[in-house]
Amino acid sequence: QLQLQESGPGLVKPSETLSLTCTVSGGSISSSSYYWGWIRQPPGKGLEWIGSIYYSGSTYYNPSLKSRVTISVDTSKNQFSLKLSSVTAADTAVYYCASSGLQLVPDYWGQGTLVTVSS
Amino acid sequence: EIVLTQSPATLSLSPGERATLSCRASQSVSSYLAWYQQKPGQAPRLLIYDASNRATGIPARFSGSGSGTDFTLTISSLEPEDFAVYYCQQRSNWPRFTFGPGTKVDIK
Repeated sequence: QLQLQESGPGLVKPSETLSLTCTVSGGSISSSSYYWGWIRQPPGKGLEWIGSIYYSGSTYYNPSLKSRVTISVDTSKNQFSLKLSSVTAADTAVYYCASSGLQLVPDYWGQGTLVTVSS
Repeated sequence: EIVLTQSPATLSLSPGERATLSCRASQSVSSYLAWYQQKPGQAPRLLIYDASNRATGIPARFSGSGSGTDFTLTISSLEPEDFAVYYCQQRSNWPRFTFGPGTKVDIK
């Protein structure tokens, strides 16, 4: 069974770049069976898909965030990462990493990590 | 972009009652709709995928129906642990997807 764990700074200054990593265990990030993605949730609000990556390196981003988002994979560490540039207070959220398998829906999720954007 | 709306925003019910949650898409998503349950401080949990298929380990009291633009999640008899927020999610333009705003099921 897959397990995912987010890691990264909990506090980022406005205009800087938010960087998070998701470590995958119980499966290979190089597997063709999964898509890997990031989803966020501002405090007290709903879920927003940020983007996804396939083992081949193909990436797919939310159009509203596309100009600021980069998702990449590090197969040597079985990890994938999120970078979100030029952050503002509106980017304050719990960030989840998730995997999508055969059902093509996020079915394994990390526990989430709160990132606050503040000076 | 496909927009999902959920109704009602809040549903107040008692344990043992039947819950009926609605999700409507701004255009057809075929059967590519999923439902998630989220409790405070936890990640969402997949309940239903492709409109009517229960995910692994999900109790039979949860069922999904619908196609095209109108979908329903039914909880046949609410257990205490079912009081939570429920989100629908569409994947008709996979691997891009969107979520609905959620329905909170709380204790009456």
